[in-house]
Amino acid sequence: AQKITQTQPGMFVQEKEAVTLDCTYDTSDPSYGLFWYKQPSSGEMIFLIYQGSYDQQNATEGRYSLNFQKARKSANLVISASQLGDSAMYFCAMREANTDKLIFGTGTRLQVFP
Amino acid sequence: ETGVTQTPRHLVMGMTNKKSLKCEQHLGHNAMYWYKQSAKKPLELMFVYSLEERVENNSVPSRFSPECPNSSHLFLHLHTLQPEDSALYLCASSDLVRQGGTDTQYFGPGTRLTVL
Repeated sequence: AQKITQTQPGMFVQEKEAVTLDCTYDTSDPSYGLFWYKQPSSGEMIFLIYQGSYDQQNATEGRYSLNFQKARKSANLVISASQLGDSAMYFCAMREANTDKLIFGTGTRLQVFP
Repeated sequence: ETGVTQTPRHLVMGMTNKKSLKCEQHLGHNAMYWYKQSAKKPLELMFVYSLEERVENNSVPSRFSPECPNSSHLFLHLHTLQPEDSALYLCASSDLVRQGGTDTQYFGPGTRLTVL
């Protein structure tokens, strides 16, 4: 069974607008971590934000915030005030407790237009 | 140098060649990883080294041979590859949670490999 699902292969957003990238996950482990990475065309995977399963508040890092809905098993990334440089692939990933494995989704390609 | 570096950035090789990919992390981490990213497929974990010991080998063909001589360096030795091995190979490092770390993996820029 797929552990991480990103249902949006591509998204468009206008500059300065906010955009939400969807991610749902599947695990029976009560302890896990959720990550978002950005991959520009250069190839490097850039860590954006982390949410632990026991964290009480949604994670935020600058213009990035994670809308964590535990009961729905969703961990959507919200990018506020989009910039042209935000155009990239975005990957959601999960690490279950007691493993070193990150399981990645298939990614969402975000394109920001002027 | 900071973060995670990988060399070479691009590599073209024939099926009979032997080459090596190099990864170096300058973050003081205790775990290193190799991932393969093929077109239109999720990132696939290949190998994990924890404190210089291999702890994961995800059914990777023997034509890929990892080496971790110390906690800062990781190599992927390649020999008799197939065209379907063409992909972006990403290295990452982290501090393991069970070693008191935060476990966030930080990636290098990748090596884009083409096998002819």
